[in-house]
Amino acid sequence: KNEVEQSPQNLTAQEGEFITINCSYSVGISALHWLQQHPGGGIVSLFMLSSGKKKHGRLIATINIQEKHSSLHITASHPRDSAVYICAVPNFGNEKLTFGTGTRLTIIP
Amino acid sequence: EAGVTQFPSHSVIEKGQTVTLRCDPISGHDNLYWYRRVMGKEIKFLLHFVKESKQDESGMPNNRFLAERTGGTYSTLKVQPAELEDSGVYFCASSQLSSYNEQFFGPGTRLTVL
Repeated sequence: KNEVEQSPQNLTAQEGEFITINCSYSVGISALHWLQQHPGGGIVSLFMLSSGKKKHGRLIATINIQEKHSSLHITASHPRDSAVYICAVPNFGNEKLTFGTGTRLTIIP
Repeated sequence: EAGVTQFPSHSVIEKGQTVTLRCDPISGHDNLYWYRRVMGKEIKFLLHFVKESKQDESGMPNNRFLAERTGGTYSTLKVQPAELEDSGVYFCASSQLSSYNEQFFGPGTRLTVL
């Protein structure tokens, strides 16, 4: 079993829909990262959070440390949000990341 | 300020050849990480430098992979000789030297071994 599990693996939605991507982890962490990878492109860090909630534009990330669960929400989704969203957790001590398998999001106009 | 850069962006080589990937971290970032995504799998950690020293190389797949960071600035990852299973996207990330710091990722190098 992977230390970091994401769901769903694939998600297709209509433009404007509210999107939720979930991440569960089994190890103790200091913070959790949400990353975005566009087709053929590199990785962009969206959020790093250790508690509560963070918001950036139409993106909202929440984390529940006790339940070892985080969610990434996208409001008023747009086709340009189509990408792979990846959560990653660091190891204590050296902060090397363990990654989830990613959620492939496709927003249809 | 320039972000993390990687060179080349794409590399296509034949099995048995040698390839060297380069990563230039953000200036002042002492932590440098190499990660790899093989087709269909999640991104995996390869190794971690703190300045010029290898802090953790537990993710390096075998001795065909050699990473260096002379002078604690840019890093190179050499694969010699390359095998088919080495194909994937190699990412580099850097962060400041303290805990809980955000890692900044480079655009990746897509390596194809034929």
